Amino acid sequence: DVKVTQSSRYLVKRTGEKVFLECVQDMDHENMFWYRQDPGLGLRLIYFSYDVKMKEKGDIPEGYSVSREKKERFSLILESASTNQTSMYLCASNPGVAGEVSTDTQYFGPGTRLTVL
Amino acid sequence: QKEVEQDPGPLSVPEGAIVSLNCTYSNSAFQYFMWYRQYSRKGPELLMYTYSSGNKEDGRFTAQVDKSSKYISLFIRDSQPSDSATYLCAMSASGGGGNKLTFGTGTQLKVEL
Repeated sequence: DVKVTQSSRYLVKRTGEKVFLECVQDMDHENMFWYRQDPGLGLRLIYFSYDVKMKEKGDIPEGYSVSREKKERFSLILESASTNQTSMYLCASNPGVAGEVSTDTQYFGPGTRLTVL
Repeated sequence: QKEVEQDPGPLSVPEGAIVSLNCTYSNSAFQYFMWYRQYSRKGPELLMYTYSSGNKEDGRFTAQVDKSSKYISLFIRDSQPSDSATYLCAMSASGGGGNKLTFGTGTQLKVEL
């Protein structure tokens, strides 16, 4: 089974703090993604990565950065947390090669619920 | 207008009912369609995947795609309280791997005893 883990389930930070959210997948997947999920807005893509040290902006990258130094790990960084970044953050990974399911199918971690005060 | 529209619900049904969940989309390039189930405070988990038009069945779940109408459905037969969750549709234009998925906002389902 694909396993995607995220470093924290719940996190509370103060405005202006630098926040690191870590994601690790154990299936040697090529591609990794960071989303935030908000009521009524659904899942919105922040950043994604096709390979180590590569990153692409998603739909809402402002206020965020990412790091992928190793294939299995994808980090989301909030440089200076703000209250409007209070949200559920979801990491996902995708094989990137043809298989039995759509190669676009993504496997999600349990999520980190971040509150910025 | 959003690329993918999904009624947010909540949808409340009695145990044993047949449930129909739906999404409409506007991008005719979408060919790969997925349904995810998300329990409260958990990450989404893949439930069903279909390619192009047609039906796919897996136990109590049937996914249906009508590309001519740009409409996809998920049917749940003999619904159980454990089916209570939010159901997200997702779709992509090609199966090349690593493509972005476009998600619906999710339909909240509650199956009552």
